[in-house]
Amino acid sequence: DTEVTQTPKHLVMGMTNKKSLKCEQHMGHRAMYWYKQKAKKPPELMFVYSYEKLSINESVPSRFSPECPNSSLLNLHLHALQPEDSALYLCASSLRDTGQGPGGPLHFGNGTRLTVT
Amino acid sequence: GQQLNQSPQSMFIQEGEDVSMNCTSSSIFNTWLWYKQDPGEGPVLLIALYKAGELTSNGRLTAQFGITRKDSFLNISASIPSDVGIYFCAGQNYGGSQGNLIFGKGTKLSVKP
Repeated sequence: DTEVTQTPKHLVMGMTNKKSLKCEQHMGHRAMYWYKQKAKKPPELMFVYSYEKLSINESVPSRFSPECPNSSLLNLHLHALQPEDSALYLCASSLRDTGQGPGGPLHFGNGTRLTVT
Repeated sequence: GQQLNQSPQSMFIQEGEDVSMNCTSSSIFNTWLWYKQDPGEGPVLLIALYKAGELTSNGRLTAQFGITRKDSFLNISASIPSDVGIYFCAGQNYGGSQGNLIFGKGTKLSVKP
């Protein structure tokens, strides 16, 4: 079982809906990540939070809005998505961000399979 | 930016055979990681490598951090059906905006019983 928990496992939403993806870890990790993964492709980085502050935004459209309420939780708020946003959204965590040195390997959750209709 | 070349793209092998896959880069990495992903699940960390030349085993899996820091390989010995999945290598560097994973494109492994 993964130590990074993501909910929901599956989500179907219309283009006018607002929904949120949730991620939780209790390993004491201080860096948390959102990745997007399309079928048969590697994960693509979207956002990095380091000590609850947004440190990297990989030019992600504003219809994706991340939030880190505390060191254990990471949310991804979704609004006005497009069908091409359908993908597996993965959350990950590591001991630290590697911005200033070894941060440890990333541990991934099992993802939320998002379908936008 | 940095890119990883992972090969082979896919493999079809008989149960019991050994498997080898590798990743190469045009530039160096501080850390090499190997992940396995099953359908409908997230990538699971198999092996992490931190020093050039390091050789690390995890059960039937063995991985090495190339001496030039630009490559890594993963070997699986005596494959079994549950080895089926997609294997990703990932390189990681420290400092600034490079501080996150660069993934290879994956090797899809199929095992015939």
